[in-house]
Amino acid sequence: SQQGEEDPQALSIQEGENATMNCSYKTSINNLQWYRQNSGRGLVHLILIRSNEREKHSGRLRVTLDTSKKSSSLLITASRAADTASYFCATPQGGSEKLVFGKGTKLTVNP
Amino acid sequence: GAGVSQSPSNKVTEKGKDVELRCDPISGHTALYWYRQSLGQGLEFLIYFQGNSAPDKSGLPSDRFSAERTGGSVSTLTIQRTQQEDSAVYLCASSDGRSKNIQYFGAGTRLSVL
Repeated sequence: SQQGEEDPQALSIQEGENATMNCSYKTSINNLQWYRQNSGRGLVHLILIRSNEREKHSGRLRVTLDTSKKSSSLLITASRAADTASYFCATPQGGSEKLVFGKGTKLTVNP
Repeated sequence: GAGVSQSPSNKVTEKGKDVELRCDPISGHTALYWYRQSLGQGLEFLIYFQGNSAPDKSGLPSDRFSAERTGGSVSTLTIQRTQQEDSAVYLCASSDGRSKNIQYFGAGTRLSVL
């Protein structure tokens, strides 16, 4: 079963608006990662947040982590058409190097 | 500074044929992963290699699927007697085994089984 589940499944916004995507997971983790996938391409790592962190920023990205609720959110501020992509959260499985990916949120930013 | 390279980028085959997909990881990366992504879906873990350890094959869907990694570098995913349900994008990723398992992905091989 999927460890991470993103919602919404799809999100359509106008350029300049903020986009928020959520991820829920089931087991204890030591970190959570967000990846982006442009259509027809591989995934690109965006940001990693450790279990002892509550919030992390990288450019226009803001990630939060609530370990008590087993959830994370990814906020993209001042979105651009180039942000159009699918976004996945990923969590390590057990103590291994394996990551378990959710089904992703498909974001469309309309110019 | 080459990234993860996968070949071919597209593969069309007939049902029942065998296919080989290749992955060339980032130089020096000790860990290599294969995933399968069906249309509009998330990533399904297939197999994981770490250094000289025995691979974790727990995600392989059937005995028609196998993978090897030669010399700790290039990996080949083989699908025997392909079925239509094998049609998907096969993604390879590598990591250096240190950076909190951040993975670097190739562009994938799109497999179509007719």
